[in-house]
Amino acid sequence: NAGVMQNPRHLVRRRGQEARLRCSPMKGHSHVYWYRQLPEEGLKFMVYLQKENIIDESGMPKERFSAEFPKEGPSILRIQQVVRGDSAAYFCASSATGDYGYTFGSGTRLTVV
Amino acid sequence: GENVEQHPSTLSVQEGDSAVIKCTYSDSASNYFPWYKQELGKRPQLIIDIRSNVGEKKDQRIAVTLNKTAKHFSLHITETQPEDSAVYFCAARYGFGNEKLTFGTGTRLTIIP
Repeated sequence: NAGVMQNPRHLVRRRGQEARLRCSPMKGHSHVYWYRQLPEEGLKFMVYLQKENIIDESGMPKERFSAEFPKEGPSILRIQQVVRGDSAAYFCASSATGDYGYTFGSGTRLTVV
Repeated sequence: GENVEQHPSTLSVQEGDSAVIKCTYSDSASNYFPWYKQELGKRPQLIIDIRSNVGEKKDQRIAVTLNKTAKHFSLHITETQPEDSAVYFCAARYGFGNEKLTFGTGTRLTIIP
């Protein structure tokens, strides 16, 4: 089992560009969560998705951010028109139905220049 | 929503001594409390968890205690070793699997050789 796979590991974008972060959950896991971690800070919940459905997006900024988890393929976190304040590590986690704990991916470190 | 506070933010202990990290939560309905360890530049990894029907759980040098009345839970690490140096996050959740976890702000633990 390859675990939760995130790519890219590092992403550099200029202000105003779009960032696309990908997350493939563990085999057998149908629940995906995205968290943002600013330097020296904790993990802030962004969004929880199941296949083709957004279950909870209460932590997602209202503008520029969107997430999807299509029937086929990885979950995508999309940030449009990035700003310097979007620079952070973005972690994806997954779980199977009924699981209590998550398994995290290695994260994507986004740097906006 | 749930709010989790974690103390202290930094902790240094002599190798071989014990370390204790404390968290409080706000939602009395929360019933699941995991602890994650994050080494520098790496993913958070689950090290131990406890459910609300249990007061204490132990795994080798690591233990977690839960006081539901006071709404707080603690991580205890005994006989600390240099490889215990990391950032530790507590978290809490209400529900019976798959709902989002709310994380504390983290404790940077440094073991002094």
